[in-house]
Amino acid sequence: SQQGEEDPQALSIQEGENATMNCSYKTSINNLQWYRQNSGRGLVHLILIRSNEREKHSGRLRVTLDTSKKSSSLLITASRAADTASYFCATAASGGQGAQKLVFGQGTRLTINP
Amino acid sequence: DTAVSQTPKYLVTQMGNDKSIKCEQNLGHDTMYWYKQDSKKFLKIMFSYNNKELIINETVPNRFSPKSPDKAHLNLHINSLELGDSAVYFCASSRGAGRTEAFFGQGTRLTVV
Repeated sequence: SQQGEEDPQALSIQEGENATMNCSYKTSINNLQWYRQNSGRGLVHLILIRSNEREKHSGRLRVTLDTSKKSSSLLITASRAADTASYFCATAASGGQGAQKLVFGQGTRLTINP
Repeated sequence: DTAVSQTPKYLVTQMGNDKSIKCEQNLGHDTMYWYKQDSKKFLKIMFSYNNKELIINETVPNRFSPKSPDKAHLNLHINSLELGDSAVYFCASSRGAGRTEAFFGQGTRLTVV
């Protein structure tokens, strides 16, 4: 399946440290997206990186994409307590009829300790 | 203004009942989705509609029937609810199916007892 897999499943760090999460996928993609989900809430889009891009930045977020290894990483620098959430990668895969569908991994549960 | 809104937020119902979840987006997007998130937080796509047309149906039981009366609405009707249907259901929308970011509703926590 196209499903992405995040690693690690859970990560606990001290406030101010950097957090790195990884995502691997199986087939060719159009783009890869990262989302955040706070407890009991919907998903919020963080960043999208296209298949022809290798790195992208947004504030304290840095995303890399290695299509040869079918992997991506999300780095959050100078973490804050408010960054505590689950983080999901999603790949855009063909859903038939020319449609693309977002396929999500199981997420990384990030806890930032004060 | 809420971009993607779904109602209700919580739904508790007995096995065998029929229930509906409504979703509306005010973003002008042409594509809408329903996702199911299980207790392990795994998100699985169920349906996708583009301009009111069903474009993705991920082998969901026939008891689940989506309906899109217009581009801004995608409702989910579930017949004969089963215990295994308990989950959080998310509606989402995007401009262009999968090619751009998706905006998610707050979710509907369905509990079947």
